[in-house]
Amino acid sequence: NAGVTQTPKFQVLKTGQSMTLQCAQDMNHNSMYWYRQDPGMGLRLIYYSASEGTTDKGEVPNGYNVSRLNKREFSLRLESAAPSQTSVYFCASEVQGAGKLFFGSGTQLSVL
Amino acid sequence: AQRVTQPEKLLSVFKGAPVELKCNYSYSGSPELFWYVQYSRQRLQLLLRHISRESIKGFTADLNKGETSFHLKKPFAQEEDSAMYYCARKGGYNKLIFGAGTRLAVHP
Repeated sequence: NAGVTQTPKFQVLKTGQSMTLQCAQDMNHNSMYWYRQDPGMGLRLIYYSASEGTTDKGEVPNGYNVSRLNKREFSLRLESAAPSQTSVYFCASEVQGAGKLFFGSGTQLSVL
Repeated sequence: AQRVTQPEKLLSVFKGAPVELKCNYSYSGSPELFWYVQYSRQRLQLLLRHISRESIKGFTADLNKGETSFHLKKPFAQEEDSAMYYCARKGGYNKLIFGAGTRLAVHP
């Protein structure tokens, strides 16, 4: 049982490049999240999806887009990467409303 | 905005000492609150939730509505408790919002 799988684990981008972070869960969860983790700022919610076909902005959505392709997959796209987006990105899934999130192992992204 | 505040970035204690990790939340009638933990080289995981009133790995947390706090406590810290701890609450549309985190370092 893989749980929540994120790819890639590491990525280095140049300013202005685009990329998509992939996330998939095999637990049949409805809700999925994207967070970024920065020193001293904790985990900040970028986007949230309560169910397939729905997405909602979090605390720091600027510069990001998301797609909830199906119940399993929730991708995060950086259209034009900026150094301020250097961070560790976590995807998570949750049984609807339970508050128990299952996290992926994270993607360490550096934007030069 | 429904916020969670963890005032300490780092808490350093010796093995066997009591531990209290502070968490305060912005007022909301009936908040749902959680503690998450991230051990070195492991994934972030749920430690406990206030509705369960449970004790996990010797940790407890009591919701104090008067002080709008949900502090995490353990009477005797162990070295394996060293980790990053996050307080979290349910916000609008049931989204989970996290605090900035507190790093607990337990020294031998």
